[in-house]
Amino acid sequence: EVQLVESGGGLVQPGGSLRLSCAASGFTFSSYEMNWVRQAPGKGLEWVSYISSSGSTIYYADSVKGRFTISRDNAKNSLYLQMNSLRAEDTAVYYCAREYALYYYYMDVWGKGTTVTVSS
Amino acid sequence: DIQLTQSPSFLSASVGDRVTITCRASQGISSYLAWYQQKPGKAPKLLIYAASTLQSGVPSRFSGSGSGTEFTLTISSLQPEDFATYYCQQLNSYPFTFGPGTKVDIK
Repeated sequence: EVQLVESGGGLVQPGGSLRLSCAASGFTFSSYEMNWVRQAPGKGLEWVSYISSSGSTIYYADSVKGRFTISRDNAKNSLYLQMNSLRAEDTAVYYCAREYALYYYYMDVWGKGTTVTVSS
Repeated sequence: DIQLTQSPSFLSASVGDRVTITCRASQGISSYLAWYQQKPGKAPKLLIYAASTLQSGVPSRFSGSGSGTEFTLTISSLQPEDFATYYCQQLNSYPFTFGPGTKVDIK
């Protein structure tokens, strides 16, 4: 079964750090681009970051640039999001999503999400 | 960045109704548009990609159309399990922005 499982969420104080993980199974992880998408409570979806299959190309939303770092370990079938200098507005459910990118692009597999709460 | 708007933001409909949701892009995105369905407390689910291609396993009552800057998602006959929030997403260029969502509720 194709699956993504996020972990690492929790309660953190403003200015703190957190590292999210996403474990992939059921497909050849190293062949796929990956993304992080978040959803603040009661709000819509916000794309956060992208990493290419090799890890050589990375993009960030302006809202997290300079504070978040995406990475991957293809040997461990894992995706990561290092989040530093966290703010209240970073409070959200964070999803990892597999990106299909051949002739067209779409996010076809999503994890169930992990909740990050930034509060004192 | 490419901005997406959706209309309506909320709609109330009955089982069996035909429902149409519109997504507009601030600049041309060819057919690089996807539609997702999200139910409360759940992850988004891909419905349609490339503006009009139905994802495997998605019921045929869902359809998509459009290109350039205007796109539509149509549910031909609304079923009880279709009450959810629907998002469009452009995948023409990063950042891969989402529309604000359309909540479909029971009349």
